[in-house]
Amino acid sequence: AQKVTQAQTEISVVEKEDVTLDCVYETRDTTYYLFWYKQPPSGELVFLIRRNSFDEQNEISGRYSWNFQKSTSSFNFTITASQVVDSAVYFCALSEALIQGAQKLVFGQGTRLTINP
Amino acid sequence: DTGVSQDPRHKITKRGQNVTFRCDPISEHNRLYWYRQTLGQGPEFLTYFQNEAQLEKSRLLSDRFSAERPKGSFSTLEIQRTEQGDSAMYLCASSGPGTLGDTQYFGPGTRLTVL
Repeated sequence: AQKVTQAQTEISVVEKEDVTLDCVYETRDTTYYLFWYKQPPSGELVFLIRRNSFDEQNEISGRYSWNFQKSTSSFNFTITASQVVDSAVYFCALSEALIQGAQKLVFGQGTRLTINP
Repeated sequence: DTGVSQDPRHKITKRGQNVTFRCDPISEHNRLYWYRQTLGQGPEFLTYFQNEAQLEKSRLLSDRFSAERPKGSFSTLEIQRTEQGDSAMYLCASSGPGTLGDTQYFGPGTRLTVL
């Protein structure tokens, strides 16, 4: 069965610091997808990124970057120059196939990130 | 596009009562998912619809839970004879037709409190 581990339960940093959120996953599938979602205090899960298992290129989007390393089964997320608005719970998720091409998401327990002014 | 919507946003009920939640997916999405999230945990999969067909159910979905998606549009999740352990955030997500890996977009959730 798929498993996602986010070992950091809570992280607290001062604004403008860089911060990395760790995600380690377990799967026997050769094709799979990894995701990061942000959950602000309002509760809605906001999609950030999707990465398939065949694409190990790192990705950068503004202050956000993702480092996918298949060899260590990790998909880490870095926020550069953090801002107070980045405060939220961040979830890493792994796809698990359902029938007819659909998938369910297996989530980690989340990392609560607090950015202090 | 207006995104995934859920109603109500909050529900407080007494143990033993029945509750029903509604989810309206993104209009062109044919796949709809329900998840449950308890405090301090990540969401857990409950069930999946493709159009109007319920194709997958988790073992978490006890006999007191039932979900429908008539006509392949909105979906409802009903919990009968609620228990305090049912208190959680119920999240709905939808995704478009496509190959494995299509992104799921989540609604704001319905927070259920069972007294």
